[in-house]
Amino acid sequence: KQEVTQIPAALSVPEGENLVLNCSFTDSAIYNLQWFRQDPGKGLTSLLLIQSSQREQTSGRLNASLDKSSGRSTLYIAASQPGDSATYLCAVRGGAGGTSYGKLTFGQGTILTVHP
Amino acid sequence: EAQVTQNPRYLITVTGKKLTVTCSQNMNHEYMSWYRQDPGLGLRQIYYSMNVEVTDKGDVPEGYKVSRKEKRNFPLILESPSPNQTSLYFCASRLTGTYEQYFGPGTRLTVT
Repeated sequence: KQEVTQIPAALSVPEGENLVLNCSFTDSAIYNLQWFRQDPGKGLTSLLLIQSSQREQTSGRLNASLDKSSGRSTLYIAASQPGDSATYLCAVRGGAGGTSYGKLTFGQGTILTVHP
Repeated sequence: EAQVTQNPRYLITVTGKKLTVTCSQNMNHEYMSWYRQDPGLGLRQIYYSMNVEVTDKGDVPEGYKVSRKEKRNFPLILESPSPNQTSLYFCASRLTGTYEQYFGPGTRLTVT
């Protein structure tokens, strides 16, 4: 069964700092990995999707990397702003031959606070 | 605008009173699913549907029913809600294949 772990559970940084959120998964047989943002009591907004054949994806100040063989992904946020404060969730879609084929498995999330 | 909508957004009900949470998407997605989100447990899949008239259980299906009579709609039915079904519910959809998942805004359900 796929397990997804996100470290740290919470992070507080001053505005302007660059930061890295980590995601690890136990079964490397995945189709893709998706990073989401969730504001308190709200829905999930997709930030980046990395296919299993890709190494990274970029969108604005966000960069996500994927090392499938080691079961790791990182989300890099450059020049953080107070508006980036939210919970960031990592989710992996199980691939063929894996323990969670087709299923989207979520991590517990990292609560990010960016203070002015 | 491409989106997944859910109704109601907030619902307080009593034990045993049947309720339905609706979900609709306008992106012609084949795949739709329901999740619940609970503190400390994260997001867990309740049911999913690969296409019209095709549904299957997720990780926590007990106490829930679904139907998929039309491609755009995927309602979640609680025949006899109980307090342990108090949670934040999300509907999601995507195209079949390795495509990204889109989520609705969530329905906060409280069962007393």
